[in-house]
Amino acid sequence: DTEVTQTPKHLVMGMTNKKSLKCEQHMGHRAMYWYKQKAKKPPELMFVYSYEKLSINESVPSRFSPECPNSSLLNLHLHALQPEDSALYLCASSQDPLRPQYFGAGTRLSVL
Amino acid sequence: AQSVTQPDIHITVSEGASLELRCNYSYGATPYLFWYVQSPGQGLQLLLKYFSGDTLVQGIKGFEAEFKRSQSSFNLRKPSVHWSDAAEYFCAVGAPESGGGADGLTFGKGTHLIIQP
Repeated sequence: DTEVTQTPKHLVMGMTNKKSLKCEQHMGHRAMYWYKQKAKKPPELMFVYSYEKLSINESVPSRFSPECPNSSLLNLHLHALQPEDSALYLCASSQDPLRPQYFGAGTRLSVL
Repeated sequence: AQSVTQPDIHITVSEGASLELRCNYSYGATPYLFWYVQSPGQGLQLLLKYFSGDTLVQGIKGFEAEFKRSQSSFNLRKPSVHWSDAAEYFCAVGAPESGGGADGLTFGKGTHLIIQP
């Protein structure tokens, strides 16, 4: 089983809203990732959690706030987003940082 | 830092014909190499990976890729494509010296595969 589950599948929010994206895996993976993908572009890394500790933050604006409550869950808290933040947000996990990453289906976010 | 180039933005292939998608990388040593496929509105599915050893790797859905160090390439091939192979294909590199996927992956810009009936 190589399933990474992301909820919700679609999200529409206003610029003053607070929302959260969720990602879950039950493969025992210890590294989890958030990527942002704009239309017709490759995914761009946002955050890396390794053994539940934030190890990489690719200069992402503070309106995006990641959280890793435990080894199976990864959240991305959203606050005061801009319309240009509209994109597909992908979560991935890997057994450890040296192993291949497996991706969820993504959350398509629209900011109005 | 590593980089990946996929020279072809679009490729059109007839159903049943063979396919080769090109990928070139830039890295000071042997990187970890991956091919992913993405259908519209979907996440990325891992097709195959190369870490070390045999330079010809087999993946899912009948795909294979060959690592050529001298050409810094990792081209993806399939002997006979099916209409369901139409999708976006991404080559990606991870850097072993910095912990492999610990930095996340660096993706190429993708190749959009169109299958003609």
